[in-house]
Amino acid sequence: DGGITQSPKYLFRKEGQNVTLSCEQNLNHDAMYWYRQDPGQGLRLIYYSQIVNDFQKGDIAEGYSVSREKKESFPLTVTSAQKNPTAFYLCASSIFGGGNNEQFFGPGTRLTVL
Amino acid sequence: GENVEQHPSTLSVQEGDSAVIKCTYSDSASNYFPWYKQELGKGPQLIIDIRSNVGEKKDQRIAVTLNKTAKHFSLHITETQPEDSAVYFCAASGGGGTSYGKLTFGQGTILTVHP
Repeated sequence: DGGITQSPKYLFRKEGQNVTLSCEQNLNHDAMYWYRQDPGQGLRLIYYSQIVNDFQKGDIAEGYSVSREKKESFPLTVTSAQKNPTAFYLCASSIFGGGNNEQFFGPGTRLTVL
Repeated sequence: GENVEQHPSTLSVQEGDSAVIKCTYSDSASNYFPWYKQELGKGPQLIIDIRSNVGEKKDQRIAVTLNKTAKHFSLHITETQPEDSAVYFCAASGGGGTSYGKLTFGQGTILTVHP
């Protein structure tokens, strides 16, 4: 079954802790993306990677970090520097970078900071 | 960079009626315009997309129109059904400069279809 998996589905974190969200794809896609979704708002781009070992900041990268050591994996770390981390986080991938190809989304991780 | 505005934020229709959602974009270099449907607690799914060399595209009850001169595009759903109820997002991409490689999303429209 091809697709994108995100884990965990729900995540709780205490203030001041870093936490890493997992994103894996077996679609053989070059590009991967991380979005944040808040109630009543659209998806905002955190980081994206158009190829292995390369990534760029999106519109709201402050307080987040990523790595892209393998084609199929693009983990997102929410650091303690992120002031308001409670949100729904979505990972996506597309066959190529450039932004003008269909993006396939994972099921999301809901992060709550206690 | 790109800016996408989407209207309305909520839309309520009776089953069988049509629904129209409109988006405007700011970057004239954008050339790819997808529409996504998101059900509660799930990731968005592509329902239709259009590229800048095409003015209209249809897929069964769904159609998208693009006006490059005015920089707006619209989603049309005919013969709506209760299962069409969801949040719909428009997006724009493919522009150059700081917009390269990125999809910019609208704020979303909550569509409710009443039986």
